[in-house]
Amino acid sequence: GAVVSQHPSWVICKSGTSVKIECRSLDFQATTMFWYRQFPKQSLMLMATSNEGSKATYEQGVEKDKFLINHASLTLSTLTVTSAHPEDSSFYICSARTGGKGNTEAFFGQGTRLTVV
Amino acid sequence: DAKTTQPPSMDCAEGRAANLPCNHSTISGNEYVYWYRQIHSQGPQYIIHGLKNNETNEMASLIITEDRKSSTLILPHATLRDTAVYYCIVRDSSNTGKLIFGQGTTLQVKP
Repeated sequence: GAVVSQHPSWVICKSGTSVKIECRSLDFQATTMFWYRQFPKQSLMLMATSNEGSKATYEQGVEKDKFLINHASLTLSTLTVTSAHPEDSSFYICSARTGGKGNTEAFFGQGTRLTVV
Repeated sequence: DAKTTQPPSMDCAEGRAANLPCNHSTISGNEYVYWYRQIHSQGPQYIIHGLKNNETNEMASLIITEDRKSSTLILPHATLRDTAVYYCIVRDSSNTGKLIFGQGTTLQVKP
């Protein structure tokens, strides 16, 4: 399957600082990328959907000013957690798929574990 | 979005077939059934998907009932490395194609 790479794999930051996570599709063009968050022993929760060149669509309850998403190219999307707090500590996962309707599968990155201290 | 129901956990003996059920009684005609799995602390891995016909690939088989209200993922010869959380997802029929994850089934393959 296609490869989606996230960077960094893990990060520790201090409260009040911002952290940027990158998601790259390495061998295909991703018209649409998704960002998820996963707390321990829970399922993945969709945070937002981003389409290249347009504003992201956030799921209900997700603060768009806190979780900034940029999808400036067909191979790169970034998630910036602004003014991070310990409760933002989580496993963040991106996925990417090619565009259009139909049955194209989405491919996932390996995830980024964020710890805010 | 259509919802899915899966048993929270299952055990399977190594080398035997693992059959993971999923109910999706509210699925609409143009929605696909997708299966992903997540091994601890990794991103989900795509397994297989289907619309109405049974599907098979190198990883698994997907059996979809004729009324499409349920499906079964079959791992023909489970190994210890197949221990994971398995998610059955009905794909959003809008153009975004977002995947909404339920709680999944934790499959424990035992020696």
